[in-house]
Amino acid sequence: DTGVSQNPRHKITKRGQNVTFRCDPISEHNRLYWYRQTLGQGPEFLTYFQNEAQLEKSRLLSDRFSAERPKGSFSTLEIQRTEQGDSAMYLCASSLAGAADPKNIQYFGAGTRLSVL
Amino acid sequence: AQKVTQAQTEISVVEKEDVTLDCVYETRDTTYYLFWYKQPPSGELVFLIRRNSFDEQNEISGRYSWNFQKSTSSFNFTITASQVVDSAVYFCALSEAFYKLSFGAGTTVTVRA
Repeated sequence: DTGVSQNPRHKITKRGQNVTFRCDPISEHNRLYWYRQTLGQGPEFLTYFQNEAQLEKSRLLSDRFSAERPKGSFSTLEIQRTEQGDSAMYLCASSLAGAADPKNIQYFGAGTRLSVL
Repeated sequence: AQKVTQAQTEISVVEKEDVTLDCVYETRDTTYYLFWYKQPPSGELVFLIRRNSFDEQNEISGRYSWNFQKSTSSFNFTITASQVVDSAVYFCALSEAFYKLSFGAGTTVTVRA
């Protein structure tokens, strides 16, 4: 069990550019979550997947944000036309929902820190 | 809407002192789940404990203990005999369903040698 892996760990981009982050969940986990964390705050929920289906999106996820989990394994989060307000830590988590893990605990990766200049 | 309040922004102690972190939550649901996570400087959130709303039994795990009081909507966390390695940001979180976590703003704990 290698844990949740996120790449890149850091991303610096200029305003207006597109960026894409990748998350590899714990291998047997069927749920995958994206959160955003700004300085001095707790993580805020963005969206989650059950296998390849995206089941909920927060109002925080504007039209410039899109997330995919094409084969129910890894996921990508893309931000188009980045703005300075997008600067934050983007955290990914995964869990095993269902009878196999009744506690459905979310395990987090180390995050991708985005800086928009 | 659910809400989690961690009133303490920062706590600084000397090694071996006890530290208690406060967490107060708001929810309209009768079934919900409470969590504590630790975020060390490396950034990764580390799961510590989960409680459901029907289980008010307090729990001790090594130097960690948790006090859940439904009557006051509180889920407090105590580190006994703190160590430098306990220095981190600690988050309390609430979940009304089996997916979305709502986090408090976190409490930064600094343990000095």
